[in-house]
Amino acid sequence: NAGVTQTPKFQVLKTGQSMTLQCAQDMNHEYMSWYRQDPGMGLRLIHYSVGAGITDQGEVPNGYNVSRSTTEDFPLRLLSAAPSQTSVYFCASSWQGPRSEKLFFGSGTQLSVL
Amino acid sequence: GIQVEQSPPDLILQEGANSTLRCNFSDSVNNLQWFHQNPWGQLINLFYIPSGTKQNGRLSATTVATERYSLLYISSSQTTDSGVYFCAVGTSGTYKYIFGTGTRLKVLA
Repeated sequence: NAGVTQTPKFQVLKTGQSMTLQCAQDMNHEYMSWYRQDPGMGLRLIHYSVGAGITDQGEVPNGYNVSRSTTEDFPLRLLSAAPSQTSVYFCASSWQGPRSEKLFFGSGTQLSVL
Repeated sequence: GIQVEQSPPDLILQEGANSTLRCNFSDSVNNLQWFHQNPWGQLINLFYIPSGTKQNGRLSATTVATERYSLLYISSSQTTDSGVYFCAVGTSGTYKYIFGTGTRLKVLA
C-alpha cells in the first residue's frame, strides 16, 4: 500500500493563478480531508468528505473547492491564489472519520503564492 | 466548537530526560489521537486514546475523558524524538478532527 499520496510536493504560484493539489489513497477509506498548516496555528481543516459525492466545509474553506468523484481521489482546487494561501497543505484519510482509530496523512505540499 | 489547548508550547530537553505533554479539550470527545511531526514535516500517528492508558516503547499516553485532558509521556528522550507533537480530537455527531497548536520538542545530544 502506498497510503496517502500527495502531489506536487512544492509549488510556487503567482497571485490570481489557479491550481489543483492532488490527493489519492489506496486504503479504501471513506473519509478524506484537507488541512493547512501555518506557523503557530496547528492544522486547520479546510474541507472533508465522507464518501464519493459527499463533501463539506471545515474551519477555513474560503478560497478552496473540492469534489469527490471516486473513493480514492480528493483534489483541492485553488481558484484564484492569494498570498494568504501560502501554507503547507496536508491530505488525510481514515476509514470513517472520527469514528475510526487512525487518521493517516500524506507527506504534504508546500505552496508559496507570490 | 470544541477548543483544544496544548502545553507547553515549547520544550527543550537533554537526551535521556523524561517529559510530559498535555492536551486539554473543552467538550466530550469520542476520538483523541496523538501525532508526531518530524523535522521533515511527516505526521505520524502515535496513539489512538479517547480514554484510558496505552504504552508503546518509551512513549505512553493517558486520557482522563471525564476531566477532559490527555497526557503524552516521553521517557529517556532521544534526539529522534525532536519535532512537534499534536493532539487531535473528534466529537460524536461531527466528522471533524480538531487539532491543538502543538508542543515543539527539541532534544539535545
